[in-house]
Amino acid sequence: EVQLVESGGGLIQPGGSLRLSCAASGFTVSNNYMSWVRQAPGKGLEWVSVIYSGGTTYYADSVKGRFTISRDNSKNTVSLQMNSLRAEDTAVYYCARGYSDFDFWGQGTLVTVSS
Amino acid sequence: EIVLTQSPATLSLSPGERATLSCRASQSVSSYLHWYQQKPGQAPRLLIYDASDRATGIPARFSGSGSGTDFTLTISSLEPEDFAIYYCQQRSNWPATFGQGTRLEIK
Repeated sequence: EVQLVESGGGLIQPGGSLRLSCAASGFTVSNNYMSWVRQAPGKGLEWVSVIYSGGTTYYADSVKGRFTISRDNSKNTVSLQMNSLRAEDTAVYYCARGYSDFDFWGQGTLVTVSS
Repeated sequence: EIVLTQSPATLSLSPGERATLSCRASQSVSSYLHWYQQKPGQAPRLLIYDASDRATGIPARFSGSGSGTDFTLTISSLEPEDFAIYYCQQRSNWPATFGQGTRLEIK
């Protein structure tokens, strides 16, 4: 059974850093495209970042230069390092498999950026 | 960036009725258009990929159609569990973008 479990969210002050993790089971992350998608409270969905099976990474313009996606093949996990956080980064962050379509999603982890 | 516009914003229907949701793209996305269902407090769930293919485990009452710029998600006969928010999404052009969602509520 495919499962994605995110962790690492929490309350952080503006300008701070946070690292999110996504533990995958039932498939191998290194063989798949893996994305992060976020949803601000009461708002719609926004794609954030993707890591291709070959290791290439891409970012939404809104996070480029501040966020870094990576994966640990030995642990079958994907991570999102978030630096220089802003109030507008407040959202539930979902880990999802894929990039053209997202066929499996984690339950999400809430990141709140506030002083 | 391709903008996806969903209509209506809110759709009020009764169980057993037919639901028709629309998604219009600002430029052609070919058939690279996908639909998701999201219930309160839950992650989105893939319903339809590539405009018309049902994802694994999705009931046959859900169907998708369209190509180019105009797409439709149809729910043939609404079940109580179908009342939720529906999003369309494209990845024909970078970056992947989502529509703003259609809320399907019980009338």
